[in-house]
Amino acid sequence: DTEVTQTPKHLVMGMTNKKSLKCEQHMGHRAMYWYKQKAKKPPELMFVYSYEKLSINESVPSRFSPECPNSSLLNLHLHALQPEDSALYLCASSQGGTQETQYFGPGTRLLVL
Amino acid sequence: LAKTTQPISMDSYEGQEVNITCSHNNIATNDYITWYQQFPSQGPRFIIQGYKTKVTNEVASLFIPADRKSSTLSLPRVSLSDTAVYYCLVGDSGAAGNKLTFGGGTRVLVKP
Repeated sequence: DTEVTQTPKHLVMGMTNKKSLKCEQHMGHRAMYWYKQKAKKPPELMFVYSYEKLSINESVPSRFSPECPNSSLLNLHLHALQPEDSALYLCASSQGGTQETQYFGPGTRLLVL
Repeated sequence: LAKTTQPISMDSYEGQEVNITCSHNNIATNDYITWYQQFPSQGPRFIIQGYKTKVTNEVASLFIPADRKSSTLSLPRVSLSDTAVYYCLVGDSGAAGNKLTFGGGTRVLVKP
């Protein structure tokens, strides 16, 4: 199984809502990532979890809150988002070392109204 | 962090070979060069990775000169389904996870 799954595929939320994005992998990977991708732009790294601990936060606003409940799951909690946060949110995983292949999920398309 | 520069777009025709060159002048000694492919509304997909000289797999070849300041992804005999954005990345070799910075990418359009 070389698949990273993400739910939901699409999400529409208001600026006062609280929602969560979910990501799951069953490849035994120990590193997991959140990326944000705006239309016609490259993915931008947001967070990296390594062995279930947050290792990289790319100065992401606190309205985005990551969580790694276990080695297979990664969540991104959303609260008080702005319309400019509308984007494709991608999850990825890798084995946990360096210079490794990252496996990406299909993404969650988020629209903030 | 090594920065990459690629052409914004390239057009090709079915059956032709497509070569995309990426510049990464400040690549670090420990950094590898990795290429990903992304179709619209999908996550990027790993194509190939290399450190030096030439690497070949079932879908592409990667040519890296001795100074490693550039690399060329070669896609042999492209088909319409190869229309996608191709990203060249140079990895940060930090120990905590694998920090990749995507450059602008190259939009490849394969025409019939």
